[in-house]
Amino acid sequence: NAGVTQTPKFRILKIGQSMTLQCAQDMNHNYMYWYRQDPGMGLKLIYYSVGAGITDKGEVPNGYNVSRSTTEDFPLRLELAAPSQTSVYFCASSYFDNSNQPQHFGDGTRLSIL
Amino acid sequence: ILNVEQSPQSLHVQEGDSTNFTCSFPSSNFYALHWYRWETAKSPEALFVMTLNGDEKKKGRISATLNTKEGYSYLYIKGSQPEDSATYLCAFVSGAGSYQLTFGKGTKLSVIP
Repeated sequence: NAGVTQTPKFRILKIGQSMTLQCAQDMNHNYMYWYRQDPGMGLKLIYYSVGAGITDKGEVPNGYNVSRSTTEDFPLRLELAAPSQTSVYFCASSYFDNSNQPQHFGDGTRLSIL
Repeated sequence: ILNVEQSPQSLHVQEGDSTNFTCSFPSSNFYALHWYRWETAKSPEALFVMTLNGDEKKKGRISATLNTKEGYSYLYIKGSQPEDSATYLCAFVSGAGSYQLTFGKGTKLSVIP
């Protein structure tokens, strides 16, 4: 069982470039999330989705877009990369809401914008 | 913005010592409290999800307690081992709003053999 799979693991972008971070889960989870982790900070929620076709903003959505066309996939897009988006990005999923269901995390994507 | 504080930021203990650390969160609109264990170069792994005041959960040598009225949770590790070295994250879920996790900055535990 693969769980939550993120690709790529590492990427270096130039300012102004765009890219898509991929996230896929094979646990048939309804809920999926994107977080960023900056040094000395807690995980910050970027976007989340409660099911296919439904997405919503988290705490730090500016500069990002998401889509959820299938239950399995939840890609995160950076349209115009900026140095402030240098971070480690984690995708997570859960079967239902956060009341009693833990989130399952991918291994992260380390992104540097130069 | 919800305030979730973890203390201490980091600590070093000798192998065999027991230790504990704290997660503080808002005492109003409590919905759930999550604990995760995050080893370096790996992904966070769920330890506990706690929902009831007075809850106590245990997983091997690790246990957690919850006080929703005063807004804190303790994580205890009994007889620390080097493999317990990790960052321990707590995350608060408020019942007012979007029901999403607000994470603390974590407590980094280093167990010295």
